[in-house]
Amino acid sequence: DIQMTQSPSSLSASVGDRVTIACRASQSTSNYLNWYQQKPGQAPKLLIHAASGLQSGVPSRFSGSGSGTDFTLTINSLQPEDSATYYCQQAYSTPWTFGQGTKVEIK
Amino acid sequence: QVQLQESGPGLVKPSETLSLTCTVSGGSISSYFWSWIRQPPGKGLEWIGYIYDSGSSNYNPSLKRRVTMSVDTSKNQISLKLSSVTAADTAVYYCARGGLVSAGTFDYWGQGTLVTVSS
Repeated sequence: DIQMTQSPSSLSASVGDRVTIACRASQSTSNYLNWYQQKPGQAPKLLIHAASGLQSGVPSRFSGSGSGTDFTLTINSLQPEDSATYYCQQAYSTPWTFGQGTKVEIK
Repeated sequence: QVQLQESGPGLVKPSETLSLTCTVSGGSISSYFWSWIRQPPGKGLEWIGYIYDSGSSNYNPSLKRRVTMSVDTSKNQISLKLSSVTAADTAVYYCARGGLVSAGTFDYWGQGTLVTVSS
């Protein structure tokens, strides 16, 4: 199985800050890397697909980068509604696996 | 707008079989990969497996011997059965659609249903 490791596990930032979340895979996933946002009591929501593709309807302050084993999710100008847990997920080989999550809190 | 809705018992006894159904509305089941994903309370996400509209499937090896998935294209439904459940199977179970970008990219999710395993 491909292990996905996110860092940090949690962070606290102010409205307007730029936030970066890292995701590392235990082996190359090419660009088969997705990012999801999950708010309490809700299902995850796809934000970024194929490492850098912005899902339809997702604000442009979200962006993704990387390939191979190292990936980054960036939130430019953090908004109050961005308070959530973010997960990376590799879609390269089954069993598809998720990172442990990064909880983003607004100061 | 595609919508997914999970349904099934919220309480299952240990050693019994968990059975859930996902009903898809606003779109066809055809040509997509339909996954089940679960999330124990307060924990992360675990992919259980997928089924394609043809009935071909792929299960997580960690659960493979206990999982069966099926599809009913006439009803636009996907089903999950997980046998010999224990407390460790207590989780919110989601169905999700994959395949527009890649099989393992989940663009639509159900709201999830909490299944508790307890006597």
